Amino acid sequence: GAVVSQHPSWVICKSGTSVKIECRSLDFQATTMFWYRQFPKQSLMLMATSNEGSKATYEQGVEKDKFLINHASLTLSTLTVTSAHPEDSSFYICSASAGQGYQPQHFGDGTRLSIL
Amino acid sequence: GENVEQHPSTLSVQEGDSAVIKCTYSDSASNYFPWYKQELGKRPQLIIDIRSNVGEKKDQRIAVTLNKTAKHFSLHITETQPEDSAVYFCAAGQAGTALIFGKGTTLSVSS
Repeated sequence: GAVVSQHPSWVICKSGTSVKIECRSLDFQATTMFWYRQFPKQSLMLMATSNEGSKATYEQGVEKDKFLINHASLTLSTLTVTSAHPEDSSFYICSASAGQGYQPQHFGDGTRLSIL
Repeated sequence: GENVEQHPSTLSVQEGDSAVIKCTYSDSASNYFPWYKQELGKRPQLIIDIRSNVGEKKDQRIAVTLNKTAKHFSLHITETQPEDSAVYFCAAGQAGTALIFGKGTTLSVSS
């Protein structure tokens, strides 16, 4: 149980393109999902907390107009990188927990984004 | 906000030896401390977690200890095996909220 699916797993696109990444909880409802960014050989940096039915909470330094987050249902959150540039190239990974309290976060497989 | 420090950044051990990774956190409100294992190009996998009302937790070869007063927690792996080689991340946060991760420890177990 507690499976999180992330799609796509790999994206290569031209500079200026917008890219949408989906994060789905397959066998549980996730009131809250989290989006992280990971550079090679570095840690996971929290970008934003995505709450179902409300606006996402962004971490300091993360441009909310650049990284659009939508959490329209209890099983789906999306991250859209708008007008992507080479510096946006990174590994983006989402996580979700099954509820409140001491529920572990389960991660998706991540999306490797390469902007040419 | 929370800040998590993790040491060492790299750790090399011989198969069968024990490995210890240590983390400190800054926010006394944090009450949930998970450990994740990440293999190259793969998702982080939860290997063990501990809550603030517990001082120690063990699962086969893996154990975690927590010292709330000192605000530090540690991962202990005994009888290491080559398949334990990976990057390990500690994290801290309040239950149900976002986690702040340490910078990771690359563990190499040689046979």
